[in-house]
Amino acid sequence: AQSVAQPEDQVNVAEGNPLTVKCTYSVSGNPYLFWYVQYPNRGLQFLLKYITGDNLVKGSYGFEAEFNKSQTSFHLKKPSALVSDSALYFCAVRDMRVNAGKSTFGDGTTLTVKP
Amino acid sequence: DVKVTQSSRYLVKRTGEKVFLECVQDMDHENMFWYRQDPGLGLRLIYFSYDVKMKEKGDIPEGYSVSREKKERFSLILESASTNQTSMYLCASSPPGYEQFFGPGTRLTVL
Repeated sequence: AQSVAQPEDQVNVAEGNPLTVKCTYSVSGNPYLFWYVQYPNRGLQFLLKYITGDNLVKGSYGFEAEFNKSQTSFHLKKPSALVSDSALYFCAVRDMRVNAGKSTFGDGTTLTVKP
Repeated sequence: DVKVTQSSRYLVKRTGEKVFLECVQDMDHENMFWYRQDPGLGLRLIYFSYDVKMKEKGDIPEGYSVSREKKERFSLILESASTNQTSMYLCASSPPGYEQFFGPGTRLTVL
């Protein structure tokens, strides 16, 4: 079985400060990890992914995420938050050995960036 | 640009009606998915399809069925709509092993 936990329902940061949105996962085999963002009244958009290779992954809009195998985490980060980053963020995991094509999503974290 | 379209943005139906939600992708992707999104529950997979005429149950298939007669089109069917199926429905597609591309969603209200 595969699962994802996003321990924080809500993250609040001030504009210009660094932000972190947390994600931990559980899979039997090697994980494929994804972050998606959902702006109000829009569908989900892909931000970045970890498949293999460098543990630090860079994605769209200045976001990055660090894969930590020992801690089974894939936290989303940005050095300097913008008000326009305010949105709902989802982490997802896929175990390609067991569930080819199927991802499991976390419950989502609402990020609010205040001016 | 990658594009996934859904037949309606908003839909209002009555209890007991048969409801069809259509999804079309123009990227020749093998995999297609139907999710429902409810506050605090994240995205829950209803069904997915990894090829034409192939389907597999997701986490919450009860009360739903799907059809994939052509590669680009994946339909979700509510055989007899109930109020607890009021939700946001999201369709997605992907090549195997890669990220998913989502449609804008259909907000379904069942009265």
